[in-house]
Amino acid sequence: AQSVTQLDSQVPVFEEAPVELRCNYSSSVSVYLFWYVQYPNQGLQLLLKYLSGSTLVKGINGFEAEFNKSQTSFHLRKPSVHISDTAEYFCAVSRFSGGYNKLIFGAGTRLAVHP
Amino acid sequence: GAGVSQTPSNKVTEKGKYVELRCDPISGHTALYWYRQSLGQGPEFLIYFQGTGAADDSGLPNDRFFAVRPEGSVSTLKIQRTERGDSAVYLCASSLTSQETQYFGPGTRLLVL
Repeated sequence: AQSVTQLDSQVPVFEEAPVELRCNYSSSVSVYLFWYVQYPNQGLQLLLKYLSGSTLVKGINGFEAEFNKSQTSFHLRKPSVHISDTAEYFCAVSRFSGGYNKLIFGAGTRLAVHP
Repeated sequence: GAGVSQTPSNKVTEKGKYVELRCDPISGHTALYWYRQSLGQGPEFLIYFQGTGAADDSGLPNDRFFAVRPEGSVSTLKIQRTERGDSAVYLCASSLTSQETQYFGPGTRLLVL
């Protein structure tokens, strides 16, 4: 079975500073990895995904993540954050099995960007 | 185009009552998923539909929960004899095919008093 651990429940950061949100997963088989963002009172929006190929994945809004198979990590980074990046961020893993992707989410990291 | 929509956005009910939550997926999407997000947690998988059939309902917590998708488009999640522990945000997602990215709706916030 797969599982996801997001190591920080909250990350406070000042505007224009860099940020890293950490995600570790466990799985005995190859998986797909995702980061979703959830703004208040909105649904989850896909930031980026890793399916295969290059381990550095670029997503929307200037975010990127690096897949590290040996460390079973998929940390999310942004070099300079904006106030508008304040939201909840979820890391998720899935394995294409039985003909579909069942997403397994971490508990989330609340990013709070301060002026 | 229109995204995934869910109604109602909020639902308050009393313990023991029956509730229905509706999901309108993106037009043409064949795969539909329901997730439940409890306070302070990430979403948890409930059920997956491919077309009209429930291909995987292993995440439904017990037999009080049931979901249908009779015409392969709109889906309804039904909860009988609601309990306070059912209070959560219920999220619906759809994808063009089962292998494609899942797009989420805004959710229905259910509160059982």
